[in-house]
Amino acid sequence: GAVVSQHPSWVICKSGTSVKIECRSLDFQATTMFWYRQFPKQSLMLMATSNEGSKATYEQGVEKDKFLINHASLTLSTLTVTSAHPEDSSFYICSARVASGSDEQYFGPGTRLTVT
Amino acid sequence: QKEVEQNSGPLSVPEGAIASLNCTYSDRGSQSFFWYRQYSGKSPELIMSIYSNGDKEDGRFTAQLNKASQYVSLLIRDSQPSDSATYLCAVRGNDMRFGAGTRLTVKP
Repeated sequence: GAVVSQHPSWVICKSGTSVKIECRSLDFQATTMFWYRQFPKQSLMLMATSNEGSKATYEQGVEKDKFLINHASLTLSTLTVTSAHPEDSSFYICSARVASGSDEQYFGPGTRLTVT
Repeated sequence: QKEVEQNSGPLSVPEGAIASLNCTYSDRGSQSFFWYRQYSGKSPELIMSIYSNGDKEDGRFTAQLNKASQYVSLLIRDSQPSDSATYLCAVRGNDMRFGAGTRLTVKP
């Protein structure tokens, strides 16, 4: 299957600071990437969908000024959590959709964010 | 009504048995169907995709799709303790929708 990487795998930051998470599709092109958040023992929650070269589409209730998404190329999307607060602590997972052929969607390994 | 519904479980089966995981969906226009496995603390891993009615087999896994009944299932034969995880059903219509997942425990 296709490989999606995420960096960093975990990060601890202080309240009020910003954190950038990178998501890369390593062996395929991804015109569409997705960002999810998952709290312990809960299901995936889609935060936003990003298409290469255009603005991200945010799900209802997700603050676009707080969660900045940039999808600059067919293999890279970034999520920046701005002015992070303890309630932003969560498991953030990106996913990339194969641009052609199988229509499959692959997940990165996730980034565990802890805001102190 | 949720768009993609799964029994939350937990589903417990003995080692070597067949585990049967079920999923129903509401969007009749859905075209693509997927099963993901998620271990605790890890991200989901794609294990099966199915696009047409019938069965699709891959090793110990068989996905079954019935579009008329809006039903998709996953069978795991010869279940192993390492299969213990949460299984997510995903359905793509205009966009991808995930079920909440079924937690499977395979007991040695």
